[in-house]
Amino acid sequence: EVRLVESGGGLVQPGGSLRLSCAASGLTFSSYAMSWVRQAPGKGPEWVSGIGDSGDATYYAESVKGRFTISRDNSKNTLDLQMNSVKAEDTAIYYCAKHPHSIRYGGSPFDFWGQGTLVTVS
Amino acid sequence: EIVLTQSPATLSVSPGEKVTLSCRASQSVGSNLAWYQQIPGQAPRLLISGASTRATGIPARFSGSGSATEFTLTISSLQSEDFAVYYCQHFVNWPPGTFGQGTKLEIK
Repeated sequence: EVRLVESGGGLVQPGGSLRLSCAASGLTFSSYAMSWVRQAPGKGPEWVSGIGDSGDATYYAESVKGRFTISRDNSKNTLDLQMNSVKAEDTAIYYCAKHPHSIRYGGSPFDFWGQGTLVTVS
Repeated sequence: EIVLTQSPATLSVSPGEKVTLSCRASQSVGSNLAWYQQIPGQAPRLLISGASTRATGIPARFSGSGSATEFTLTISSLQSEDFAVYYCQHFVNWPPGTFGQGTKLEIK
């Protein structure tokens, strides 16, 4: 059974930093692209950042480019999101989300999601 | 940027009814469209990918259809656990595409 467990959320002041982590189990982690998706209170999901299965390709939404950094450690089955210079509008639940295949096969949806970790910027 | 517009925003229905939700894309996304269900307090769950392929474990009462710019999600007979918010999302390429604004199914 695939499990994605996020951690690291909390309250942070504007301009501060936070590092989110996602621990994956029940899958061959290195075979799949992964993403972070956030959801602000009362809003729909918003893709934030994605990374290829080997970690060499990274993508960011314009709203976080230059402030957030995604990374993965395939030896530890973990996905991270380093959040710097956070703003009030970054307040949201952050989900770790798995893609159904490698990035080299092109675009894909999110077939498994973690339960999320809440980030509050205030 | 491709914009997805879902309609209606809210739908009040009774258990056992058949419902059809709509998602319209501002330009063609081919069949690169997914549907998700989100129950309050839970993460979204993938229902349909490739416009019409049910994800693993999704009941047969859920079906998707459409291509290019017009898509529908149909629930053939609403169960109590189906009252939730439904989102469409396109994934034409990387980076992953945007979500629609959602349709909320509520009990009449």
